Amino acid sequence: DSGVTQTPKHLITATGQRVTLRCSPRSGDLSVYWYQQSLDQGLQFLIQYYNGEERAKGNILERFSAQQFPDLHSELNLSSLELGDSALYFCASSIGTGLTGELFFGEGSRLTVL
Amino acid sequence: SQQGEEDPQALSIQEGENATMNCSYKTSINNLQWYRQNSGRGLVHLILIRSNEREKHSGRLRVTLDTSKKSSSLLITASRAADTASYFCATDGYSSASKIIFGSGTRLSIRP
Repeated sequence: DSGVTQTPKHLITATGQRVTLRCSPRSGDLSVYWYQQSLDQGLQFLIQYYNGEERAKGNILERFSAQQFPDLHSELNLSSLELGDSALYFCASSIGTGLTGELFFGEGSRLTVL
Repeated sequence: SQQGEEDPQALSIQEGENATMNCSYKTSINNLQWYRQNSGRGLVHLILIRSNEREKHSGRLRVTLDTSKKSSSLLITASRAADTASYFCATDGYSSASKIIFGSGTRLSIRP
C-alpha cells in the first residue's frame, strides 16, 4: 500500500459528460502529480501541484483542469469527454518536487467513455 | 513521447537470464529513477540515480547513467517469474524539476 488513495477506481460515462477524479496523497507529502496512461502506453504528464500551487504543466487539454486543496487532496476534472479520453489516470505524491525523492502512486482511476 | 524513449519495447527471456533495458531522454536532468508497473497497477519505485552518478546497485538491480549520451540502462540479474512487469524510467528536467516525465516503457516477460 503506497498510502495514496484514488477514487473512483472505475468510472464509465458517456461522451460529452464531465467527471471528477480525486486523489488523497500520502500523509506528509506536499506534491501531487497527475498522469494519463492509455492502453499499453507510457504515462503522459498532465500537471503537478505543490502545497496548493500549480508548479508544472504538461500536455493537458483545455477540457481538463485540476486543483489542490488546503488539505492537500487534489481533484482532476475532465469535461466534454471524448472516446479518446478513455484511459487510466494516475495520481502520485512526493514530499518535495523533482526526483530527489520517490513518487508514490495510487492504483489509478480507470475511465471508460462510451 | 514527451521526454524519453525506452528500448526494447518488449523483452522476453528465460528465467535465470539477465534482462537489460535502455532509456534515452532529451534534455539535461537532475535525477533519473526507474519504476516498475504490474499490469494495470500503480507504479512502484525501484532505484534513483543522480546526474553526477554513473552507476548504482540495489539487490539484483544495476543502473547506469551516461549524461553525455542522455541515456540510462537498467539491468536485472538472475531474473525470476515475479519480475514480469513493465519498466519505466523517469526524469526531472534540469530547468524544470517539477515536470517529471516517464519513458514509454519496456514490457518484460520472464519465461519459466
